[in-house]
Amino acid sequence: GAVVSQHPSWVICKSGTSVKIECRSLDFQATTMFWYRQFPKQSLMLMATSNEGSKATYEQGVEKDKFLINHASLTLSTLTVTSAHPEDSSFYICSASSGSVGYTFGSGTRLTVV
Amino acid sequence: DAKTTQPTSMDCAEGRAANLPCNHSTISGNEYVYWYRQIHSQGPQYIIHGLKNNETNEMASLIITEDRKSSTLILPHATLRDTAVYYCIVRVESGTYKYIFGTGTRLKVLA
Repeated sequence: GAVVSQHPSWVICKSGTSVKIECRSLDFQATTMFWYRQFPKQSLMLMATSNEGSKATYEQGVEKDKFLINHASLTLSTLTVTSAHPEDSSFYICSASSGSVGYTFGSGTRLTVV
Repeated sequence: DAKTTQPTSMDCAEGRAANLPCNHSTISGNEYVYWYRQIHSQGPQYIIHGLKNNETNEMASLIITEDRKSSTLILPHATLRDTAVYYCIVRVESGTYKYIFGTGTRLKVLA
């Protein structure tokens, strides 16, 4: 079946630094990928829709200059958390459509900002 | 906002059927109901989906009411590994079919 790989699975960074998270579709091409954020014991919150070759579409309340999304190829989307602060610590998850049933989700990246 | 409401939590005895309800009273005629589950610290996993008819696969069964305003996910013989948060999602028609997650149901399977 369709596989979405997310890297890294966890990362710890210092406050003020930037962190890049990669989302790859391994066996299919994805023109659209989605990025979610999930705080402990809460549901997934959609952050943005990543479109290959064009600008991402951000959900209301999500700062596009803080969460930079790049979707340069049909198999790779990246999310960069710029100038990270402790409140950005969260579980970040991507998903993509393979054209078959539903969307496939990555395994998530746990970001801890210290 | 999510278009679905689910109970916050449920318990189920191991080996018994787990019935997870979902209300989606504002669902449109061409919107599908999808079910996913999320085991702790992992990405959501697809379970099943349906439009009007009941559906069954190797993981679960999906019962959709005739008026399509609610549905029930059935895990026929729950195991400890089925302990997870289960999300019922109505696929939002926006050209890119965004998934908007509700609160989900935290299912705990008890030994």
